[in-house]
Amino acid sequence: KQEVTQIPAALSVPEGENLVLNCSFTDSAIYNLQWFRQDPGKGLTSLLLIQSSQREQTSGRLNASLDKSSGRSTLYIAASQPGDSATYLCAVFGGYQKVTFGTGTKLQVIP
Amino acid sequence: DGGITQSPKYLFRKEGQNVTLSCEQNLNHDAMYWYRQDPGQGLRLIYYSQIVNDFQKGDIAEGYSVSREKKESFPLTVTSAQKNPTAFYLCASSIMLQPQHFGDGTRLSIL
Repeated sequence: KQEVTQIPAALSVPEGENLVLNCSFTDSAIYNLQWFRQDPGKGLTSLLLIQSSQREQTSGRLNASLDKSSGRSTLYIAASQPGDSATYLCAVFGGYQKVTFGTGTKLQVIP
Repeated sequence: DGGITQSPKYLFRKEGQNVTLSCEQNLNHDAMYWYRQDPGQGLRLIYYSQIVNDFQKGDIAEGYSVSREKKESFPLTVTSAQKNPTAFYLCASSIMLQPQHFGDGTRLSIL
């Protein structure tokens, strides 16, 4: 059974700092991995999707990497801003029904 | 604007009552999903549908039912058999295994 772990569970950083969020998974047989952002009481907003054949994806200040062999993905946020404060979730997709979410990292960026 | 609309935003259920959560999308996506989110846990898949008139159970389907009569709509019924229905329910859609798009969720509570 796939297990997805996100460490740390919470993170507080000063504005402007670069930071890395981690996502690890136990079964490397995946189709893709997706990073989401969730604001309190809201749905999920897709940030980046990495196909299993890719090693990284970039969008603006965000960069996500994938190392299937080691079961790890990282989300790099450059020059953090208070508006980046949210919970960040990773999800691993092994097929339509084989989707496993991590419990998230709650990020607070302090002005 | 294309997107996913979930309604209502808040819903209260009495003991022994069935309630239905609405999910409508205008993204022309074939696949639709229902997830449940509980505090401290990752999202868990309840049901998914790859095509009209077809749907499959996810990890926690007991006490729930769905229908997919139209491509745009994927309503979820929480039946009285679901003994712990209090949670945040999220609907999503996608094309094949491309990025999932989420609605803003329905929060269900017990009266």
